[in-house]
Amino acid sequence: EPEVTQTPSHQVTQMGQEVILHCVPISNHLYFYWYRQILGQKVEFLVSFYNNEISEKSEIFDDQFSVERPDGSNFTLKIRSTKLEDSAMYFCASSDPTGSSRTEAFFGQGTRLTVV
Amino acid sequence: GEDVEQSLFLSVREGDSSVINCTYTDSSSTYLYWYKQEPGAGLQLLTYIFSNMDMKQDQRLTVLLNKKDKHLSLRIADTQTGDSAIYFCAENGDSSYKLIFGSGTRLLVRP
Repeated sequence: EPEVTQTPSHQVTQMGQEVILHCVPISNHLYFYWYRQILGQKVEFLVSFYNNEISEKSEIFDDQFSVERPDGSNFTLKIRSTKLEDSAMYFCASSDPTGSSRTEAFFGQGTRLTVV
Repeated sequence: GEDVEQSLFLSVREGDSSVINCTYTDSSSTYLYWYKQEPGAGLQLLTYIFSNMDMKQDQRLTVLLNKKDKHLSLRIADTQTGDSAIYFCAENGDSSYKLIFGSGTRLLVRP
């Protein structure tokens, strides 16, 4: 069964460093997303991406964050200068808007980011 | 703004039915979803319901939607220990593909 793949599973970084989280969405999907879940809190939407551009972003997704689809298969989230409060589980998701459920999103296993 | 609320914890005995409840505020919600998260794992889509339906059944899972009260529930029949997980309710509006999640309900199934 096709799945969304995220690497690494766990990333530890020093405050102020740049970090890039990697995702390989399901191959025939057209919409890509990043969500995050701070420990003990809700899963929060960060950004959606379609047709090589951001289609929607939340207030959390400020200038420190960027997304890119560098080739036909990868989708990355970059945090330019990490802060302690960026520590969270980051989930990548993808969906196929032509399916029976327009936003039936499939999630990856997540990358746990720890900023020290 | 949009908000989704769930009770935090539910404990049931193996073999009993579990009912997890969710309320939401966005009246333009088009689809409502239930996701399952096992320890250390990602979010697994269990089922979803379109807003013009009031019930959907999928094997042991029954979703009930009361659109007037903006109330969604997930019933798991014959709950098994493998059903122990966190269950998230989520919704999206008609004009957006983003999902708004609840806080999750931790289901504990006792043998």
